[in-house]
Amino acid sequence: AQKVTQAQTEISVVEKEDVTLDCVYETRDTTYYLFWYKQPPSGELVFLIRRNSFDEQNEISGRYSWNFQKSTSSFNFTITASQVVDSAVYFCALSGSIKAAGNKLTFGGGTRVLVKP
Amino acid sequence: DGGITQSPKYLFRKEGQNVTLSCEQNLNHDAMYWYRQDPGQGLRLIYYSQIVNDFQKGDIAEGYSVSREKKESFPLTVTSAQKNPTAFYLCASSIESSPATQYFGPGTRLLVL
Repeated sequence: AQKVTQAQTEISVVEKEDVTLDCVYETRDTTYYLFWYKQPPSGELVFLIRRNSFDEQNEISGRYSWNFQKSTSSFNFTITASQVVDSAVYFCALSGSIKAAGNKLTFGGGTRVLVKP
Repeated sequence: DGGITQSPKYLFRKEGQNVTLSCEQNLNHDAMYWYRQDPGQGLRLIYYSQIVNDFQKGDIAEGYSVSREKKESFPLTVTSAQKNPTAFYLCASSIESSPATQYFGPGTRLLVL
């Protein structure tokens, strides 16, 4: 069975501080995919990134960066120089091979980020 | 603009009543999904469909039903058998290929009167 754990339920920072969100996953699949989504107060989930299990390169997109470490089954997300607009709930999710029942996503419990001005 | 629409935004259900949540997409995606989100929790999969006229149960299908008569539409019915229906319901779709990123609609909040 697949499992995603986001141990931090809520993080509060002051604007311009960096914030790192932890994500630890469990899977028996040798090929899998990891995702991060952002859920602002409006409720809609916004796709941020998808990562393949065979590509461990870190990725940076503007103020966002992701650190994928297969050895520790972690896929952490860092927001640099946080802004008030970054306030949201962030979800880490895991998908196995398409052969394993329809591209199902297993979500972590989410981390609420509150950025104070 | 391409996207996923869900209606209504808020829905109220009376005791013993069935209600239907709408999900429509114009992204030409083959696969569609329904998730339930309870306060302070992650999303749980209710049903999914990879092709028209076919759908599969997810992790918490009891008390729910779906249909997939058209590629662009995947309505979810919350039946009276669902004893705790109050939640936020999210619909998603993806291209039916691997890997397939799921894109989400704005959600419907269901409340019980």
